[in-house]
Amino acid sequence: DQQVKQNSPSLSVQEGRISILNCDYTNSMFDYFLWYKKYPAEGPTFLISISSIKDKNEDGRFTVFLNKSAKHLSLHIVPSQPGDSAVYFCAALSGTYKYIFGTGTRLKVLA
Amino acid sequence: ETGVTQSPTHLIKTRGQQVTLRCSSQSGHNTVSWYQQALGQGPQFIFQYYREEENGRGNFPPRFSGLQFPNYSSELNVNALELDDSALYLCASSLDRATLGHSPLHFGNGTRLTVT
Repeated sequence: DQQVKQNSPSLSVQEGRISILNCDYTNSMFDYFLWYKKYPAEGPTFLISISSIKDKNEDGRFTVFLNKSAKHLSLHIVPSQPGDSAVYFCAALSGTYKYIFGTGTRLKVLA
Repeated sequence: ETGVTQSPTHLIKTRGQQVTLRCSSQSGHNTVSWYQQALGQGPQFIFQYYREEENGRGNFPPRFSGLQFPNYSSELNVNALELDDSALYLCASSLDRATLGHSPLHFGNGTRLTVT
């Protein structure tokens, strides 16, 4: 049972445009949601998080939106840069000790 | 500030063997979590250690076991290896077990285990 889903395995965007990565979840008890970025041969690195009591959080070019009624969150990257090309994972904090990750979306930003 | 380091980076084992993977947590972090990432999947939670005790466990059999040492470094041991154990094993540390929302996991680069 996949509680966190990323239904788009890949996404291509032109440099300078907006990248929108989507994530759906099934458990309304999740307290925090996070986005991680992963380059090949490296571990995931933390990008941005959002508490379940908020609907938006911004950090520079990255904004995460949370729609609790739809059980949906999205990561917006504006403007997209070639260095943003990576695999992006959304994750939900379940209880106090474990993250449940989606399967990832591979973003390719075209120069 | 030293990040999370894992060793070895790659490992090849035969079915039925045992393996030990090692992790040094980021300076100042007292909580270590282990995740398994199979090809094409997201990381799956194995277990977490806090102050040398297992603090939570995912859906993995008992042949997956771990240790945390007084310096907060950690080991993951897998006995009776199976072909499906082939994956990237990620260690992550965090500032404190109770603040995972505020203090996200910091991952190492992982150990790539291949079981033949």
